[in-house]
This record gives sequence, C-alpha cells and structure tokens, in this order.
Amino acid sequence: SYVLTQPPSVSVAPGATATISCEGNNIGSKSVHWYQRKPGQAPVLVIFYDTDRPSGIPERFSGSNSGNTATLTISRVEAGDEADYSCQVWDSSSDVVFGGGTKLTVL
Amino acid sequence: QLQLQESGPGLVKPSETLSLTCTVSGGSINSGSSYYWGWIRQPPGKGLEWIGTIYFSGSTYYNPSLKNRITMSVDTSKNDFSLKLTSVTAADTAVYYCARREGVGYGSGNLFDYWGQGTLVTVSS
Repeated sequence: SYVLTQPPSVSVAPGATATISCEGNNIGSKSVHWYQRKPGQAPVLVIFYDTDRPSGIPERFSGSNSGNTATLTISRVEAGDEADYSCQVWDSSSDVVFGGGTKLTVL
Repeated sequence: QLQLQESGPGLVKPSETLSLTCTVSGGSINSGSSYYWGWIRQPPGKGLEWIGTIYFSGSTYYNPSLKNRITMSVDTSKNDFSLKLTSVTAADTAVYYCARREGVGYGSGNLFDYWGQGTLVTVSS
C-alpha cells in the first residue's frame, strides 16, 4: 500500500513562512491535495492538483510537488492558520491515501 | 452552498454495528457527472483514514482494510447516504466525516471538496 509521511508538528512565528512536507514514493507523479482541519470545524481543501487554490483561499497558501516530496507553504503566517494540515493522493493500489497530518503551531 | 451533516449515535458497544447518515443540502446527491460521496474518519491522535465512496447509482468503493465490515448505501429521495460498520472495537473510535469526492480513479481528481463537521463515535461498553 502507498504511504504518505508528514512531520507531526511544525512551529512558526507570526509573519514567517511555514513549510509542511509530504513524502511518498515518486509522489511527483501524482496529484496532491491539502486539507486544513480545525477543531470542531469541517475540513477545508486549501490546495488541489499540487498547486491550485480553491476560491476563498488566500494567496499566502501555495503548493509544490516534485520527486518524492510535496510541500505546502504558508507565507506570512497568521494566528488563524493554526490547524492540522493533511496531504492526500490517489494511488492505483490503495485508492485514497492520506498523510498522518501535521499540526501547525503559531508561536 | 453545498452542506453535509453527519448524524448517528455517539456511543456504540463493542461487537455491535456503527450506523451513520450524511444528509446533503444545497445540492442534489444525484447531480451525477463526476461527483461521488464518501466517508473518512480520524481516530484520536491519528491521521485521516479513507473508509469508502459511493456514487448516486449505488456503485461503491471500499478501503480494502475495512471492506469486510462496511456497507454503504444511498437514498436519493432523502438526499442522503449512509455507512454501516459491523463488529466494531475500540479501534473504531474516531471522528467520522462525510464528504463529496470529485472523481474516482485514474485521470480524476479524487479530491474531497466539501466536508461535514464530523461526528465523534466512541466504541465502549
């Protein structure tokens, strides 16, 4: 089965840039989607197809994907960005696969 | 704006069946095209786990690790879809989410663009 690995936690100061990685075998050949989850709220799609942003998602959110690593980058981090972020792909043998999630803490 | 809402018991006894329903509002569950409907869960302290996906026609796609215990169904007249998970154990304790899935399989997005808020189901006697 296909496995996606994320760091459990990332901490960043307000105004700085946060980068969250998602590692998987040849993930660069797959489409990666990213979700933001806050307690008690519905998860939100923040990046799809590696780099695209849904309407309503700030331009501060961006994504990249190459080789064995996909990355979610949040520029000029705000307190409201504190949340859990999960990457997701489709794999022909596993269907939908999620990463373990990364808790972003804004210091 | 499409909205999804999970409902069902918050407490289930071990070995019994977990039953949840997701009611869709603001859009039709049989809008067809490339939209499917799915269940995802998050056990405490763990990541998201895909459970299964259903099309309005009734076609289903299940996580192989749960396949023997899952049944999903859709009721287009009520605009909802349901999940049944049999023989539950403490390992099935999780927040259960329903979501709309765009596409299934190669060449499709396979992304979840609308989600419910989730419902906590605890398995305990």
